[in-house]
Amino acid sequence: DVKVTQSSRYLVKRTGEKVFLECVQDMDHENMFWYRQDPGLGLRLIYFSYDVKMKEKGDIPEGYSVSREKKERFSLILESASTNQTSMYLCATVQGGYNEQFFGPGTRLTVL
Amino acid sequence: AQSVTQPDIHITVSEGASLELRCNYSYGATPYLFWYVQSPGQGLQLLLKYFSGDTLVQGIKGFEAEFKRSQSSFNLRKPSVHWSDAAEYFCAVVVSGGYNKLIFGAGTRLAVHP
Repeated sequence: DVKVTQSSRYLVKRTGEKVFLECVQDMDHENMFWYRQDPGLGLRLIYFSYDVKMKEKGDIPEGYSVSREKKERFSLILESASTNQTSMYLCATVQGGYNEQFFGPGTRLTVL
Repeated sequence: AQSVTQPDIHITVSEGASLELRCNYSYGATPYLFWYVQSPGQGLQLLLKYFSGDTLVQGIKGFEAEFKRSQSSFNLRKPSVHWSDAAEYFCAVVVSGGYNKLIFGAGTRLAVHP
């Protein structure tokens, strides 16, 4: 089975802090994604990566950056956290071709 | 632009009753469609998917979905709901252009009464 792990289930940070969310997958998948999930809005794509060191902006990249130095690890970075970034963050991974995405358990981030 | 609409934000059913969750998509070509379920505090789990072929798709946990091109719909159904089905359900479509990007609907939260 594919396993996607996220570094924290719950995280509380202060406004202005730099925040790192990490995602690790064990199936050698090419593509990895970061979403944020908010009530009534579903999942919205922040960034994705299709190879090591390769990244593309999603629909809501403002205020975020990403890093993919190794194939199995994809990090989401909030350079200066703000209260409107309080949300659930979900990582997903998928092999090439039209296949299902596999999701991590999510990180619920609260920015005070 | 591609989009997915789930018209029902909340649905409440009694245990043992039948269920239908609606999903409408906007896409010019043949879509690749998914239904995911999210239990409280969990990530998303795939229930079923449609890529081509038979328009009635069977999934896990007794769910099925029917692709209707004429109605641009991919509704999820279950004949008899169990209390453990209480969760949030998301419909999604693959975005054209590669990389397996998905567009999700806003979700339908299902409550099950005993």
